[in-house]
Amino acid sequence: DAGVIQSPRHEVTEMGQEVTLRCKPISGHNSLFWYRQTMMRGLELLIYFNNNVPIDDSGMPEDRFSAKMPNASFSTLKIQPSEPRDSAVYFCASSLTSKETQYFGPGTRLLVL
Amino acid sequence: AQKVTQAQTEISVVEKEDVTLDCVYETRDTTYYLFWYKQPPSGELVFLIRRNSFDEQNEISGRYSWNFQKSTSSFNFTITASQVVDSAVYFCALSEFGNAGNMLTFGGGTRLMVKP
Repeated sequence: DAGVIQSPRHEVTEMGQEVTLRCKPISGHNSLFWYRQTMMRGLELLIYFNNNVPIDDSGMPEDRFSAKMPNASFSTLKIQPSEPRDSAVYFCASSLTSKETQYFGPGTRLLVL
Repeated sequence: AQKVTQAQTEISVVEKEDVTLDCVYETRDTTYYLFWYKQPPSGELVFLIRRNSFDEQNEISGRYSWNFQKSTSSFNFTITASQVVDSAVYFCALSEFGNAGNMLTFGGGTRLMVKP
């Protein structure tokens, strides 16, 4: 079975540009999570969805970040405008239900110059 | 609030040595889950184990074993006869059952280097 798929795997952009990260959860999983990993702050939960509905976005850093899940097999995390401090690895994870084990995608390594 | 502490930021061992990675957690809930994930140099996060707070039995899977002790709020991970392929960053994580969802709180990670 395919695991969580994320694209792109690497993204380099300039400050002020819009960045869109994409995630396809494991088929049949109803919960989807976005995390950010930095050296300073470690792994942090940004937002999670249950049955395509955002449940908790308290981890989203600021209004420049937005996430959507238009259907059960696709989610996006958008940063507009991007800033150098957004440079990090962004992980998407999915789980069968909100209480089950989360399985992570390979991550998107974002560098904002 | 929940918190996970991995006091060992970096451990270096020689192949075939046994190594234990420590994890101490804090939570007010009586029902919670504990996890270990592995992050190899390639960067992905690989799920290793999940434990619920009612199951204090130790678990063994090949060269890996986990020791869960509620009395000391610890969930330690031991690798027996370590191999170079075990080199990775290992994360311990906690999820409180009372949360609306399975929101994981991660420890800071322990970087394990296994030298040949």
